[in-house]
Amino acid sequence: NAGVTQTPKFRILKIGQSMTLQCTQDMNHNYMYWYRQDPGMGLKLIYYSVGAGITDKGEVPNGYNVSRSTTEDFPLRLELAAPSQTSVYFCASSYLAGGPGEQYFGPGTRLTVT
Amino acid sequence: GQQVMQIPQYQHVQEGEDFTTYCNSSTTLSNIQWYKQRPGGHPVFLIQLVKSGEVKKQKRLTFQFGEAKKNSSLHITATQTTDVGTYFCAESGAGSYQLTFGKGTKLSVIP
Repeated sequence: NAGVTQTPKFRILKIGQSMTLQCTQDMNHNYMYWYRQDPGMGLKLIYYSVGAGITDKGEVPNGYNVSRSTTEDFPLRLELAAPSQTSVYFCASSYLAGGPGEQYFGPGTRLTVT
Repeated sequence: GQQVMQIPQYQHVQEGEDFTTYCNSSTTLSNIQWYKQRPGGHPVFLIQLVKSGEVKKQKRLTFQFGEAKKNSSLHITATQTTDVGTYFCAESGAGSYQLTFGKGTKLSVIP
């Protein structure tokens, strides 16, 4: 199993550009999550999904969109990138009925918006 | 999720010394998870605590959940350089799929 994979590893965007961060898991997990991590600030939840076709907002969803058309994939879309979106983005997945279990994280995407 | 406060924010220890990080909440927690993130890496799950007063051990690591389920701690005995990283606690409300992470404690180990 590859676990959770994310692409790209690094990206530099200009202000106003758009991009999609890819996330794929091969563990057949039903729950998937997107977090952003700013220095010294822990992880903040952007969006999450409890299954294909179901997504919901987390703590900091503004400026982002997600979709979940398959169990495996959970892409994160940035529209009109802003410097405040400079961060490290982690995708995670888990499988547990009735609440969050162990979350498996991908290696992250380091995004700079200038 | 609720707010969890982690202390200290940073800790520098000499190799072989013990280390403890604390996670506190003003309200009762449903459960608590602990993660470790190596420098430049991604968070890796260590453990989940659910029961009041629960104590779990993993080699040199001891995890505790308070009797009132409002606090938790992670204690490392005789730190090694491989323990370097940031340790996060994370909690979820009852029946919630979301985790709220603390800001983490960054551990440095001086050889």
